[in-house]
Amino acid sequence: AQSVSQHNHHVILSEAASLELGCNYSYGGTVNLFWYVQYPGQHLQLLLKYFSGDPLVKGIKGFEAEFIKSKFSFNLRKPSVQWSDTAEYFCAVNPYSGSARQLTFGSGTQLTVLP
Amino acid sequence: DAGVIQSPRHEVTEMGQEVTLRCKPISGHDYLFWYRQTMMRGLELLIYFNNNVPIDDSGMPEDRFSAKMPNASFSTLKIQPSEPRDSAVYFCASSLRLQGANNEQFFGPGTRLTVL
Repeated sequence: AQSVSQHNHHVILSEAASLELGCNYSYGGTVNLFWYVQYPGQHLQLLLKYFSGDPLVKGIKGFEAEFIKSKFSFNLRKPSVQWSDTAEYFCAVNPYSGSARQLTFGSGTQLTVLP
Repeated sequence: DAGVIQSPRHEVTEMGQEVTLRCKPISGHDYLFWYRQTMMRGLELLIYFNNNVPIDDSGMPEDRFSAKMPNASFSTLKIQPSEPRDSAVYFCASSLRLQGANNEQFFGPGTRLTVL
């Protein structure tokens, strides 16, 4: 079965700092990759996804992620964070085929941006 | 589209009571998912449906949990009897596809369940 690791459980940054959240997955086949964001008290919203093609994916609110197949990684980046980016971020992997269970989420990274 | 709709948003009940959570997926989406989110276990997939048929319920914790989807626009997750350890936020999500293009899941606002 596939798994997703998010190594940073809690990240604290000041406004305008650059952000990189790590995500590694384990699955040998083709995958779709996602980053979801959950603002305090709200539901999960899709930030961006990788399906195929260009490994550098741009999402909403200035976020981007790079799929590095050789490293099984899909790190999330933002050049300059804002206070409103305070939220929990989830990486998820969905195998493209096979009988593996469906979308698997990482444990999440809590981002706190200090004003 | 209004997105995925869940009700109630908050539910407080006493141990032993029956709890029913409701979900309306996005119109036209063939897949519906139920998740549970807790601090200890994170986000867990409980069950998912394709065209109203349960496909994988291996994530359902025990027999006290059951889910149905009587039609394409409505699903329920029932806990009977409820226990304090069932306290969590329950999310419903839907997607157009399971894999490939258009397979991203859209989440509802969740139901925060507290079992006293």
